[in-house]
Amino acid sequence: DTEVTQTPKHLVMGMTNKKSLKCEQHMGHRAMYWYKQKAKKPPELMFVYSYEKLSINESVPSRFSPECPNSSLLNLHLHALQPEDSALYLCASSQAPDRGLVQYFGPGTRLTVL
Amino acid sequence: AQKITQTQPGMFVQEKEAVTLDCTYDTSDPSYGLFWYKQPSSGEMIFLIYQGSYDQQNATEGRYSLNFQKARKSANLVISASQLGDSAMYFCAMREDVRDYKLSFGAGTTVTVRA
Repeated sequence: DTEVTQTPKHLVMGMTNKKSLKCEQHMGHRAMYWYKQKAKKPPELMFVYSYEKLSINESVPSRFSPECPNSSLLNLHLHALQPEDSALYLCASSQAPDRGLVQYFGPGTRLTVL
Repeated sequence: AQKITQTQPGMFVQEKEAVTLDCTYDTSDPSYGLFWYKQPSSGEMIFLIYQGSYDQQNATEGRYSLNFQKARKSANLVISASQLGDSAMYFCAMREDVRDYKLSFGAGTTVTVRA
């Protein structure tokens, strides 16, 4: 099973709202990722968690706050977003880099910020 | 410098024909991995195929094969017997160090399969 699930599928929020994106995997992977993708562009890495610790933060604005409650779950908390943050947000998971190479992606959350 | 180059923004292919998507890469690391992903309009990134830099044979997965030419630094994806469901954006990606989490993606190629 190579399934990564994400909820919600679509999200519309105002600039003053607080919302969260959720991601779950049950493949026993120990690395989880958040990507942001604009239309017709490749995904851009935002955060990486490895063994439930934040390993990489690609200089993402603080209005995006990741959280990894356990090895299967990854959240992205959103607060005071801007319209330019509207995008497809993809979650991915993989084995630790020294054990596996393939990142498996979820279906994404399409976020619209009004 | 661009690490992954996909020079074909869009391609049309007739159903049941084969199509080759170009990908060239740039790295000085001797150990790296190359990936192809498919992204339909629904948004999900689907892993298709992987080639390691030390792999002796070209990778194949069903109708997908990777034409790996190490000296030319190219990793072209060949889709045989195209189907309407193959219409999607295709991304080539590279990981330069087996300990690295990061993937470098190309700009992508949109494939449209015609009936």
